[in-house]
Amino acid sequence: DGGITQSPKYLFRKEGQNVTLSCEQNLNHDAMYWYRQDPGQGLRLIYYSQIVNDFQKGDIAEGYSVSREKKESFPLTVTSAQKNPTAFYLCASSIWREDYGYTFGSGTRLTVV
Amino acid sequence: DQQVKQNSPSLSVQEGRISILNCDYTNSMFDYFLWYKKYPAEGPTFLISISSIKDKNEDGRFTVFLNKSAKHLSLHIVPSQPGDSAVYFCAASDGLRGNTPLVFGKGTRLSVIA
Repeated sequence: DGGITQSPKYLFRKEGQNVTLSCEQNLNHDAMYWYRQDPGQGLRLIYYSQIVNDFQKGDIAEGYSVSREKKESFPLTVTSAQKNPTAFYLCASSIWREDYGYTFGSGTRLTVV
Repeated sequence: DQQVKQNSPSLSVQEGRISILNCDYTNSMFDYFLWYKKYPAEGPTFLISISSIKDKNEDGRFTVFLNKSAKHLSLHIVPSQPGDSAVYFCAASDGLRGNTPLVFGKGTRLSVIA
């Protein structure tokens, strides 16, 4: 079955450390996205990529970095420059059709300790 | 500035009754709208969508209504069931045939009481 996989589900990071969240999809989708969810804030776009080797900043890109070396993979690195990294991170992918929208992964809960 | 607004953070409805979730938008370029449902610690799942050329789309118990002049859409769930208890996100796009990122509202938490 095709899908989108995020790992790990839970991640703990010490202050000052970088950490990378994995996102892999086997849906043959062109576009991939990273969102962050905080209580009362909805889903806010961090980065997105429409094709391999290309990506754009979203609304809250500061303190994050991404790469898109393969169509299937879109890892997100949370750097030490991100002031409030504790959040629920969601990866999504898409191929645009009227009745389709995005497929989301199950998310990674990052906690800074 | 929020382009997609869900002004009710929460809603409680009795089982069997109608649930109405509302969403307003400010960007007149939006031409495609979606609703997603999300359970805790899971990713959102697609529920129903509507393009700007329509004013209603129905799928089983779920109906979405679009009022373009008021820049308003609503999701109706009839009858509501306890399993519908979740956070519902409204999303909008101005790129029907492209890969334009969706803009999400802050969500409305629906509680269906048995």
